Amino acid sequence: GEDVEQSLFLSVREGDSSVINCTYTDSSSTYLYWYKQEPGAGLQLLTYIFSNMDMKQDQRLTVLLNKKDKHLSLRIADTQTGDSAIYFCAESIDYGQNFVFGPGTRLSVLP
Amino acid sequence: ETGVTQSPTHLIKTRGQQVTLRCSSQSGHNTVSWYQQALGQGPQFIFQYYREEENGRGNFPPRFSGLQFPNYSSELNVNALELDDSALYLCASSPDRDQPQHFGDGTRLSIL
Repeated sequence: GEDVEQSLFLSVREGDSSVINCTYTDSSSTYLYWYKQEPGAGLQLLTYIFSNMDMKQDQRLTVLLNKKDKHLSLRIADTQTGDSAIYFCAESIDYGQNFVFGPGTRLSVLP
Repeated sequence: ETGVTQSPTHLIKTRGQQVTLRCSSQSGHNTVSWYQQALGQGPQFIFQYYREEENGRGNFPPRFSGLQFPNYSSELNVNALELDDSALYLCASSPDRDQPQHFGDGTRLSIL
């Protein structure tokens, strides 16, 4: 079956790095994603990783994938107050389609 | 700006009523999916339409139904509303099934 788990809350100080973790259970998942949701808004795709990759870096964002442990993480370097939001991990078998989302991690950035 | 517009932004209904939510996608977006996001939870997949035909469905009862139109708009219809249907309903579209989806800002539905 499909299940995606995340810790629900994370607080960091401005300028520090944030690491948001996610575990998934569906071994047939091909793509794994990180989405950001700000209050009152829809979902914004931050980045994604194909299951045959270990790492992907995109400016301040670094995604690490441990396929053996089915563990995905998102590192945000130099976290800013504008990064405060809910971050969702999601998996899919087909690129961009029919996601299974985790419950979301609420990131609070303290000044 | 994702090019996906949902209406209305907020809606209040009572138990047993029916509701229609609308989504307008970019021209050429042949795939549209609908998700339900209950408060404090991640979105859950309701169903997907591709070229006006249902192309996949999540674990939702038949009173959740949809339509996709040739003008790249779509509808989510929910009959016999229940209190648990209170949620944010998100629409996402893409040009084709192998391309990433773009999400709208959602319709917040409250059932009294």
